[in-house]
Amino acid sequence: GAGVSQSPRYKVAKRGQDVALRCDPISGHVSLFWYQQALGQGPEFLTYFQNEAQLDKSGLPSDRFFAERPEGSVSTLKIQRTQQEDSAVYLCASSSNNRGLSNQPQHFGDGTRLSIL
Amino acid sequence: KQEVTQIPAALSVPEGENLVLNCSFTDSAIYNLQWFRQDPGKGLTSLLLIQSSQREQTSGRLNASLDKSSGRSTLYIAASQPGDSATYLCAVRIKATSGSRLTFGEGTQLTVNP
Repeated sequence: GAGVSQSPRYKVAKRGQDVALRCDPISGHVSLFWYQQALGQGPEFLTYFQNEAQLDKSGLPSDRFFAERPEGSVSTLKIQRTQQEDSAVYLCASSSNNRGLSNQPQHFGDGTRLSIL
Repeated sequence: KQEVTQIPAALSVPEGENLVLNCSFTDSAIYNLQWFRQDPGKGLTSLLLIQSSQREQTSGRLNASLDKSSGRSTLYIAASQPGDSATYLCAVRIKATSGSRLTFGEGTQLTVNP
């Protein structure tokens, strides 16, 4: 596809369940980012991949959050033992930057809206 | 820590009016600044990207300026239309040793009334 694709678009889970969110970046984009957006707020950085390497995970709020990108393309964000405060929109973005070049825009998917009951 | 502030939080204008959205950031060591548009239930659409060495960028009715030394950017929308109604977010890409995350403001919710 032409853009960043995220699935599912909506996810409802009970507190304590594990969830997995998927991101398909734009083909050929080496950089991939995950952000968390609470209602009425701007997105907050979670983690960053350069190809398959997770270079920055400093934004992950707890060890219940785990992200991977094993083949340098599709990425999955997993949340274990979900809590109500995990309810948010999770946005994925990709860009064509190489590590030394940060001048390309990030392109965002439509996000996954996660609701924890 | 980089902080980004957007003023106003919400703005309502009649159709046809020219308007300015403001963004300020605390750390001037940035690679670039990006303005986004977000429609309800949607992701972010990139509008304009200004590199740290640039002063402004234009696209159609949109003009974004950057004053890195003072930590300010403005987004100017000319001849506003109801279709411009959305939340506008600015984000700065900071210089970091690992990766280049975006730091976002909280957005300005714009309503253009017909």
